[in-house]
Amino acid sequence: DIQMTQSPSSLSASVGDRVTITCRASQSISSYLNWYQQKPGKAPKLLIYAASSLQSGVPSRFSGSGSGTDFTLTISSLQPEDFATYYCQQSYSSRITFGQGTRLEIK
Amino acid sequence: QVQLQESGPGLVKPSETLSLTCTVSGGSISSYYWSWIRQPPGKGLEWIGYIYYSGSTNYNPSLKSRVTISVDTSKNQFSLKLSSVTAADTAVYYCARTIAAADPLNYYYYYMDVWGKGTTVTVSS
Repeated sequence: DIQMTQSPSSLSASVGDRVTITCRASQSISSYLNWYQQKPGKAPKLLIYAASSLQSGVPSRFSGSGSGTDFTLTISSLQPEDFATYYCQQSYSSRITFGQGTRLEIK
Repeated sequence: QVQLQESGPGLVKPSETLSLTCTVSGGSISSYYWSWIRQPPGKGLEWIGYIYYSGSTNYNPSLKSRVTISVDTSKNQFSLKLSSVTAADTAVYYCARTIAAADPLNYYYYYMDVWGKGTTVTVSS
């Protein structure tokens, strides 16, 4: 199985900050990495697919990069609605797996 | 736009079979993959499996012996059955449309672009 490890597990930041969340795969997954945002009590929402492609309707302050084993999700200027939990997900393997999540909290 | 809605019992007894249905509205179930994902209380996301509209499936090996996902194109629905449930199967269950995209080397990758709101299933006697 491909393990996905996110860091940090939680993060405190302020509105306007630039934030980076990291996802590391236990083996190379090429660019088959997606990012989701989940708010409490809500379903996850797709932000980024194929490591760097922005899903339609997602604000451009969200961006993704990386390939192989190391990936990042960057929010260029945090907005109040961005405080949520973020998950990475790989589909290189036929067994789809998610990272454990990164909780982004207001400082 | 496409919307998904999960339905089924919110309470299942241990050792019984959990059965959920996802109804797709605003679009056709054809030409897509469809996934089930679950989230235990306070924990992360676990992929259960997906089905293509034609009926081919791919399951999480850790659940494969207990899972069946099926599709009914005439009703625009797909379903999940999870047998021999225990308290560890208590979770919010989500259905999601799953996009299969090919890269330049014709390698397919998958992502979930439309999700249902989720339904809570508790396993308890």
